[in-house]
Amino acid sequence: DIQMTQSPSTLSASVGDRVTITCRASQNVSRWLAWYHQKPGKAPNLLIDKASSLESGVPSRFSGSGSGIEFTLTISSLQPDDFATYYCQQYNAYPYTFGQGTKLEIK
Amino acid sequence: QVQLVQSGTEVKKPGASVKVSCKTSGYTLTHFPMHWVRQAPGQGPEWMGWINAGNNNTVYSRKFQVRVTITRDTSASTVFMELSSLRSEDTAVYYCARNFAGPFEYWGQGTLVTVSS
Repeated sequence: DIQMTQSPSTLSASVGDRVTITCRASQNVSRWLAWYHQKPGKAPNLLIDKASSLESGVPSRFSGSGSGIEFTLTISSLQPDDFATYYCQQYNAYPYTFGQGTKLEIK
Repeated sequence: QVQLVQSGTEVKKPGASVKVSCKTSGYTLTHFPMHWVRQAPGQGPEWMGWINAGNNNTVYSRKFQVRVTITRDTSASTVFMELSSLRSEDTAVYYCARNFAGPFEYWGQGTLVTVSS
């Protein structure tokens, strides 16, 4: 199985900050990598697929990059609604696997 | 619009089975795959398997292969996930999630399954 490792596990930041989350795959997943965010008690919500393609309706302050085994999610200027947990997911091979999550907290 | 509405909270004893339903609307069930993903408390999501709702083929994660069964009822536009031989580690929120050929664009609201003696 492909292991997905996110860093950091927790990130404290302020509104307006620029933040970056990293996701590393144990094997090459090409660009078959998605990012989600999740609020407590809700299902994950798809933000980015194919490593860098923003889903319709997702604000342009979100961006993704990377290929192969290393990927990043950047939020250029944090807004109050962005404080949530973020997950990466590879869909290059079954079983699809997710990272353990990065909790973005208000500093 | 696409909606996935799941059945309600379940409490089960160890060794029992649970069957969770996912009723779809806003699209034709047989045109898209349906996956099941679970999330234990404080953990990341974990993929369990999927069904090709068109031809009824299934693919399961090796971790759950002997215990999980995913089925569909096209007349009711509903997909089901049954997990048997439950243990305390199966306590989690279970989600149905739809994709086309990539990540999960649509999710159900989740069903909490608690396994406790």
